Amino acid sequence: SQQGEEDPQALSIQEGENATMNCSYKTSINNLQWYRQNSGRGLVHLILIRSNEREKHSGRLRVTLDTSKKSSSLLITASRAADTASYFCATVRNDYKLSFGAGTTVTVRA
Amino acid sequence: DADVTQTPRNRITKTGKRIMLECSQTKGHDRMYWYRQDPGLGLRLIYYSFDVKDINKGEISDGYSVSRQAQAKFSLSLESAIPNQTALYFCATGTGAGYEQFFGPGTRLTVL
Repeated sequence: SQQGEEDPQALSIQEGENATMNCSYKTSINNLQWYRQNSGRGLVHLILIRSNEREKHSGRLRVTLDTSKKSSSLLITASRAADTASYFCATVRNDYKLSFGAGTTVTVRA
Repeated sequence: DADVTQTPRNRITKTGKRIMLECSQTKGHDRMYWYRQDPGLGLRLIYYSFDVKDINKGEISDGYSVSRQAQAKFSLSLESAIPNQTALYFCATGTGAGYEQFFGPGTRLTVL
């Protein structure tokens, strides 16, 4: 069963704008990860945030985690055309398996 | 990611045929996974293996089998393919429990 659910399903923004997507989940987690998938290709790991962390940064990416609300957000700042992709959150529970959401499709317009 | 390769990349087959999808990795990871991706459903885990002698069922293992021939090779078989197994299949590797995984480029399988 899918643990995480991303919102929105799709997002269209202008180049240079910020993109924010959210992930909600149902049960307690060990960590939460975000992945990017370019059209028809394999997933690429972006960032991992542990359950005892609240915020992490990696380049233009900022991830937050609110375990009380069982939610996470991914912010991409100053978007570029190359950021056009689908973004997935994956939750990791105590069984240490990844459970993926259905993803958010981001389109960055030039 | 060239470190995880999958063959074939595309395959069209007919209902009832036996199909094998292969995965090889040069990352030296012990853990290997097979996922399936359907539109709007994200990825679902089919089987996973933590070492050569370890095979575990995932969320949707019915209709599939796997073989871990070596640390670097993990194959997925569909014994008798059916149309609802049409999907994008991904192999992934990992270093440890709950850590990031590294995905292959995927195999697009169509069952007619």
